[in-house]
Amino acid sequence: QLQLQASGPGLVKPSETLSLTCTVSGGSISSSYYYWGWIRQPPGKGLEWIGNIYHSGSTYYNPSLKSRITISLDTSKNHFSLKVTSVTAADTAVYYCAMPFGYWGQGTLVAVSS
Amino acid sequence: DIVMTQTPLSLSVTPGQPASISCKSSQSLLSSDGKNYLYWYLQKPGQSPQLLIYEVSSRFSGVPDRFGGSGSGTDFTLKISRVEAEDVGVYYCMQGTHLPPTFGQGTKVEIK
Repeated sequence: QLQLQASGPGLVKPSETLSLTCTVSGGSISSSYYYWGWIRQPPGKGLEWIGNIYHSGSTYYNPSLKSRITISLDTSKNHFSLKVTSVTAADTAVYYCAMPFGYWGQGTLVAVSS
Repeated sequence: DIVMTQTPLSLSVTPGQPASISCKSSQSLLSSDGKNYLYWYLQKPGQSPQLLIYEVSSRFSGVPDRFGGSGSGTDFTLKISRVEAEDVGVYYCMQGTHLPPTFGQGTKVEIK
């Protein structure tokens, strides 16, 4: 059974970089069978697709966030990562990692505040 | 981006009664491969969204058969044949045909 767990700092200062990691168990992130994504949900609001990465390393980023996002794979640790630069309060959200579209991690809350 | 519009935004249902949620997309979700990439999720309180239905009408692993999906093109429906207490939460539709994937605003289901 595929399982995902997002982790990272719960608090980031404005203008800094948000960094999260998603650890995958029950499957290899380098498998051509899977690809991997990040979704976020501001408190009390709906869901937004951030982007995804394929086993080859190629990526898709939501154009609304594209200039600030990097998603990468680390096959040696079987995890993938998300970086969001120049964060503001609008980036405060629960961040979910997922294997689209059926397997989601528990989510991690990131607050942007000084 | 494709706009997904759900109705109603909230629903109060008596246990054992049916429930239905509509989801309309701003463009057709029919892909060149003949499939509509329309998904339904349930987000229970304090949990991650869990996939109920994929490609309009296929139930994901472990999903009870009281959940059913239908539709094509721009109009889709999720039906719960007999609502149970464990079905409370927010239901989201999501389209995966066009990039970026986009979600409806959610329908909150509560039990009377």
